[in-house]
Amino acid sequence: QSALTQPRSVSGSPGQSVTISCTGTSSDVGGYNYVSWYQHHPGKAPKLIISDVSKRPSGVPDRFSGSKSGNTASLTISGLQAEDEADYYCGSYADRYTWVFGGGTKLTVL
Amino acid sequence: EVQLVESGGGLVKPGGSLRLTCATSGFTFSKAWMSWVRQAPGKGLEWVGRIRSKSAGGTTEYATPVKGRFTISRDDSKNTLYLQMNSLKTEDTGVYYCATGGGQYFDLWGRGTLVTVSS
Repeated sequence: QSALTQPRSVSGSPGQSVTISCTGTSSDVGGYNYVSWYQHHPGKAPKLIISDVSKRPSGVPDRFSGSKSGNTASLTISGLQAEDEADYYCGSYADRYTWVFGGGTKLTVL
Repeated sequence: EVQLVESGGGLVKPGGSLRLTCATSGFTFSKAWMSWVRQAPGKGLEWVGRIRSKSAGGTTEYATPVKGRFTISRDDSKNTLYLQMNSLKTEDTGVYYCATGGGQYFDLWGRGTLVTVSS
């Protein structure tokens, strides 16, 4: 199973919005509505921020939103804050009861 | 407070074995599907495998690179998840995370334990 494709890095100034894409295939992203996003500050536990394409778990600010079109999912972070600087990973359920993740995107808040 | 704490990582030679442990608390472990996810140095996350709750059959699935070499098990009486890793290869080097879920998403994660496979 090939990894999902994410941009290696994105950046934005405080208050701006950024969007991170996650491209897969019809065997994963395009075939299931089980795309999730994780925020990871190095050295800490990864944190679920979006499940099932666009659902926000309790406690996650509504500045984080997710969507999907075809084989590409997207995470949008609006009103950027300094604490949003982290690595972001998408993950998708895939064929034959497996999972696949993206290579990760480093978000820099300028 | 929910906690997942991985342990058992370390340095091992190629071909060797290691058993990782994930001690949990703060949630009903016996009802949870549990997964292992790893991250090689400088790389993204990689799903390793999953074990269902016993009520869902207790069955396991594995990623192709580890199938036949790694085994996930659980002890619901101890709220503990295990990952037995045999025939280790240098490409198995990385931080190993345990996480709840693996059905629709992975909702709670530990901080990970580092495994280094090197001669």
